[in-house]
Amino acid sequence: KQEVTQIPAALSVPEGENLVLNCSFTDSAIYNLQWFRQDPGKGLTSLLLIQSSQREQTSGRLNASLDKSSGRSTLYIAASQPGDSATYLCAVLSGSARQLTFGSGTQLTVLP
Amino acid sequence: NAGVTQTPKFQVLKTGQSMTLQCAQDMNHEYMSWYRQDPGMGLRLIHYSVGAGITDQGEVPNGYNVSRSTTEDFPLRLLSAAPSQTSVYFCASGTGSNIQYFGAGTRLSVL
Repeated sequence: KQEVTQIPAALSVPEGENLVLNCSFTDSAIYNLQWFRQDPGKGLTSLLLIQSSQREQTSGRLNASLDKSSGRSTLYIAASQPGDSATYLCAVLSGSARQLTFGSGTQLTVLP
Repeated sequence: NAGVTQTPKFQVLKTGQSMTLQCAQDMNHEYMSWYRQDPGMGLRLIHYSVGAGITDQGEVPNGYNVSRSTTEDFPLRLLSAAPSQTSVYFCASGTGSNIQYFGAGTRLSVL
């Protein structure tokens, strides 16, 4: 059974800092890994998707890496802003039915 | 440009009542799924479908029923609501190994 772990569970940083969120998964047979953002009381917004054959993806100040063999992914946020405050969820797509397995998320607070 | 549409956005039920959460997508996606999100537990898969007429159970299927008569719609039925089903429910759709798109969620309280 696929399991996804995210560390840390919560993170508070001052504005302008670069930061790294971590995600690990137990079964390396994945189709892709996806990072989502969730604002309080809202739905999920896809930030980045890394296919299993890729090593990283970038979008603006966000960079996600994937090391499938070690079962790890990181989300790097450069020059953080208060608007980045949200919960960040990592999910892997795996299995014959292409199911998403989620981590519990990292709650990020960027202080002005 | 609707994407994944969930209705209702909010619902309050009494224990024992039944209801259907609606989910529709206009992207012609094969895969659709239902998740519930509870504090500290992330999202857990309830049921999923890999195409019209095909459904299967996820991690937490008990107390829920689904059907997929069309590609576009994937309703989730609560047969006899229980307080343990108080949660936020999300529907998602996708194709193959591409991005999964999520609806805005249905916030359900069972009293």
